Amino acid sequence: GQNIDQPTEMTATEGAIVQINCTYQTSGFNGLFWYQQHAGEAPTFLSYNVLDGLEEKGRFSSFLSRSKGYSYLLLKELQMKDSASYLCAVRDGDYKLSFGAGTTVTVRA
Amino acid sequence: GAVVSQHPSWVICKSGTSVKIECRSLDFQATTMFWYRQFPKQSLMMMATSNEGSKATYEQGVEKDKFLINHASLTLSTLTVTSAHPEDSSFYICSAFTGNTEAFFGQGTRLTVV
Repeated sequence: GQNIDQPTEMTATEGAIVQINCTYQTSGFNGLFWYQQHAGEAPTFLSYNVLDGLEEKGRFSSFLSRSKGYSYLLLKELQMKDSASYLCAVRDGDYKLSFGAGTTVTVRA
Repeated sequence: GAVVSQHPSWVICKSGTSVKIECRSLDFQATTMFWYRQFPKQSLMMMATSNEGSKATYEQGVEKDKFLINHASLTLSTLTVTSAHPEDSSFYICSAFTGNTEAFFGQGTRLTVV
């Protein structure tokens, strides 16, 4: 099974940077995903890491260290619309995604 | 990009009745789809893996006789909640992988059992 931990809540100011950490312990690993979910809506894909290192995608970047079982999602130039829940998910060898509890990010003006 | 369409978006049903939720991959073939359930302020919990042409694989604690999954074609999986009860009220979401790197989610179905 998977054990995925991420902070419950984070608050930041518009225009700032926020880093959401995720640690995991898995019986098999086949990639780590980050999703954004607004209340009452389905998750939307943000990033995918399977090799160590940083993946940059516009204002969002994601980092992975497989040896440490660690990832982070970096959100730059925060906008009000970035207020949402951010889900860290780990995929095992059977292509099953297990999700962390999610981090609620609140962006303040 | 790839689209996964889920229907209905919301449904209210009486206790004891059955509800069917459809999940379609619109522009790709999905041999495997996944069904999740999400209670308020909680994360997504996987219910089962839906395999085209074969039986679904259920996660521990999920009743296969209550949550019937049928994956009759490469583009359609259905989840039927049988004899629904108020505790089954939840947000049900399906997903499918295209290739190796992205899992797309349906819009989700908000089920309320009264």
